[in-house]
Amino acid sequence: DTEVTQTPKHLVMGMTNKKSLKCEQHMGHRAMYWYKQKAKKPPELMFVYSYEKLSINESVPSRFSPECPNSSLLNLHLHALQPEDSALYLCASSQVTGTEAFFGQGTRLTVV
Amino acid sequence: DAKTTQPTSMDCAEGRAANLPCNHSTISGNEYVYWYRQIHSQGPQYIIHGLKNNETNEMASLIITEDRKSSTLILPHATLRDTAVYYCIVRVGGGTASKLTFGTGTRLQVTL
Repeated sequence: DTEVTQTPKHLVMGMTNKKSLKCEQHMGHRAMYWYKQKAKKPPELMFVYSYEKLSINESVPSRFSPECPNSSLLNLHLHALQPEDSALYLCASSQVTGTEAFFGQGTRLTVV
Repeated sequence: DAKTTQPTSMDCAEGRAANLPCNHSTISGNEYVYWYRQIHSQGPQYIIHGLKNNETNEMASLIITEDRKSSTLILPHATLRDTAVYYCIVRVGGGTASKLTFGTGTRLQVTL
């Protein structure tokens, strides 16, 4: 299994809602990542987890809250988002940090 | 952080070799060069990486100059399915601080 699975594929949420994005991998990887990608722009790194511990937070606003409950799962909790947070959110994993990463297909988020 | 410079776009005829250049003149001695591609609306896909030697795999070849200030990704026989944005990335940091930061990439259009 060489897949990174993200759910849901699409999400529409209001500015007062609370929602979560989920990411799962069963490759035994110990590093997991969240990226954000706006239209026609490259992916921007948000968070890096290494061995279930947060190792990098790229100054992401607190309305985005990552969680890594175990080595296979990565969540991104969302609350009080703004319309400008609408984007494609990509999850990736790698054997350890810095090695080749496998990406999921992303969750396309629309904030209304 | 080592920055990369790539042409904004390139065209290639199907069946011909696609040569995608990348400048990374500020690269440090222990920083790897990674290449990913992103086909429209999909997650990025790992292609290849290298440190100083040329590398080849089933997808592509990577040629790194002796001074390591630039590299070229070669797709030997481009097909229409290779139409994508290609990102050249220098991995920065080590250990849990290691991260892949995407640049603006090259949009490769393969035509009949």
